[in-house]
Amino acid sequence: DAGVIQSPRHEVTEMGQEVTLRCKPISGHNSLFWYRQTMMRGLELLIYFNNNVPIDDSGMPEDRFSAKMPNASFSTLKIQPSEPRDSAVYFCASRSWGGAYNEQFFGPGTRLTVL
Amino acid sequence: DAKTTQPPSMDCAEGRAANLPCNHSTISGNEYVYWYRQIHSQGPQYIIHGLKNNETNEMASLIITEDRKSSTLILPHATLRDTAVYYCTYDKIIFGKGTRLHILP
Repeated sequence: DAGVIQSPRHEVTEMGQEVTLRCKPISGHNSLFWYRQTMMRGLELLIYFNNNVPIDDSGMPEDRFSAKMPNASFSTLKIQPSEPRDSAVYFCASRSWGGAYNEQFFGPGTRLTVL
Repeated sequence: DAKTTQPPSMDCAEGRAANLPCNHSTISGNEYVYWYRQIHSQGPQYIIHGLKNNETNEMASLIITEDRKSSTLILPHATLRDTAVYYCTYDKIIFGKGTRLHILP
């Protein structure tokens, strides 16, 4: 398996532009997570899905952020309009939900720079 | 939110054992303790997990106190490649700022 796939790996955009980050989870995993990492705040959970349904989006900073999971093999995180303070590394992770324990597998991340 | 407390940074001499502590006083009885690490700017990577008993795998050992309110990750013979940020979590979802481990040559 190729692991969790994220695209693009790097994104540079100007303030006010729309940004779309993409994630393909590991096949067979039914939970997907979006995280944001900055030096100041560490690794923050933004939202997670179980069986394509958003379960907890309390970490989404504001209405400019939205996430979708139209099917089990694809998710997007959209920022519209983007702001410089959105600059961060965004990680997607997936795992199998249920059972006693299950480790999460992280993608390589998307480094976003908003100028 | 689940809360864990870890020291922000630690140093360890190469070849020595690195002992990384974590407090998780609000853990519930059926929640596992997980440890991950993040090398450079890669995504975090799973290391080990445990419930009550001490655990060991090829990467590390995990010591959990009897009251389960804290745990220690042990890297028995640290190498320069173990330089990373180490996270403990017990709800499998929330990660804090972790401990930045520096291995000194």
